[in-house]
Parts: sequence; C-alpha cells; structure tokens
Amino acid sequence: QKEVEQDPGPLSVPEGAIVSLNCTYSNSAFQYFMWYRQYSRKGPELLMYTYSSGNKEDGRFTAQVDKSSKYISLFIRDSQPSDSATYLCAMDSSYKLIFGSGTRLLVRP
Amino acid sequence: DTAVSQTPKYLVTQMGNDKSIKCEQNLGHDTMYWYKQDSKKFLKIMFSYNNKELIINETVPNRFSPKSPDKAHLNLHINSLELGDSAVYFCASSQDLAEAYEQYFGPGTRLTVT
Repeated sequence: QKEVEQDPGPLSVPEGAIVSLNCTYSNSAFQYFMWYRQYSRKGPELLMYTYSSGNKEDGRFTAQVDKSSKYISLFIRDSQPSDSATYLCAMDSSYKLIFGSGTRLLVRP
Repeated sequence: DTAVSQTPKYLVTQMGNDKSIKCEQNLGHDTMYWYKQDSKKFLKIMFSYNNKELIINETVPNRFSPKSPDKAHLNLHINSLELGDSAVYFCASSQDLAEAYEQYFGPGTRLTVT
C-alpha cells in the first residue's frame, strides 16, 4: 500500500463547477499537507499548505484536512479552463515530501 | 526573475553515456532537492542537500551522484545511463529543512535514454 493514495482521474467538469480533489494517507505522523498544481510540461507549483487538521482558504481554493480519517481535500470554486492541470497532494515526512500520483483535471469551457 | 532554473531542459542520449543536469536557485534558500517524475507522473524524492551537506539519499543507484558546490547550486551527474533512467528530473528548494513543506520547483529536465 502506498503511503499516499490519489485518484488519477481524469476528472472532467464544465466551467463554473465546484471541483473536489482528494487524497488518503496511511502515516499518522504527517503534519503538513500540501497541494501542488502542475501544468503540462511544467514544474509543480505550490498552491497551499495546511498544518494539522482544519481548513484553509485562498481565493477560489479551499484545503481541508481530516487527520482522524487520514483524508485531505482541495475544493476549487467557480472552476476555470485555466485550472486544467494535474493536482498533486503531498505530505511531509522527516524533511521530505511524499507525493500522491496526481489527479488530472480538465475544465471544459 | 527565474527562482529555480535547470539546464538543460531536454536531454537525449544513448545508453551507457554519462550526463549532468545543473540546478540553480536565486531565492536565498538553504535546502535543495532532486526529484524524479516517471511517465505516470509519480514524483519521488532522490536527494536533498542543506547548506551543501547531503541530508536525504533515497534508494537511488550509485550511478546517480549529486554535488552541491554552494548553497545556490545542486547538480546531478548520472553515469552509465540506462533506459529506465528516462524521466523528468526536477530540482526544488526550500528556505531550510524545517520548511520542507514549502518547496519551489524548477521547470524540469526531460531525459530520454535511447
């Protein structure tokens, strides 16, 4: 079993939809939970990080962490075609990041 | 201004050759990393350096040797290239080890071994 599991998608939604992206994990020692966005043929870009459980909002993006369920989510409101990318969740472990395999998102105009 | 840069962007070479990838960051960060992303987009850490000192060395073949001449640079040398080394290699940096959760990635080097 991988430490971090993420549905690879692809997830196709119409413009304006609310998108929900999720990861599950097995290591209860993880403290920081990150979401990266990666456009095709580009490097990953940090969207946001959350420490421990709770919610964090940044514009159209909301990250949620439920440590009791070992489950994290990223919500994108009013999705735009420019949000089409691969979204990678990541978690810290002894000064290194453990990544999920990424979910490919396509927002149709 | 480019925060984390890598050269070359593309690298096509034959099996058995030796090649190097260079990485530079102008963020003033203390910690730098090398990652490998395979064809299924799975991103896995290979090495990390903090203030030129090797911190993380994952189960990577000895053919891969990182070198950090100073805090702003981390290079990756690969000997005797194999077909399985074909991947995209990303360099990243963070302010320090304790802030590993906030990493900035370079644009990647796409290595193809034929």
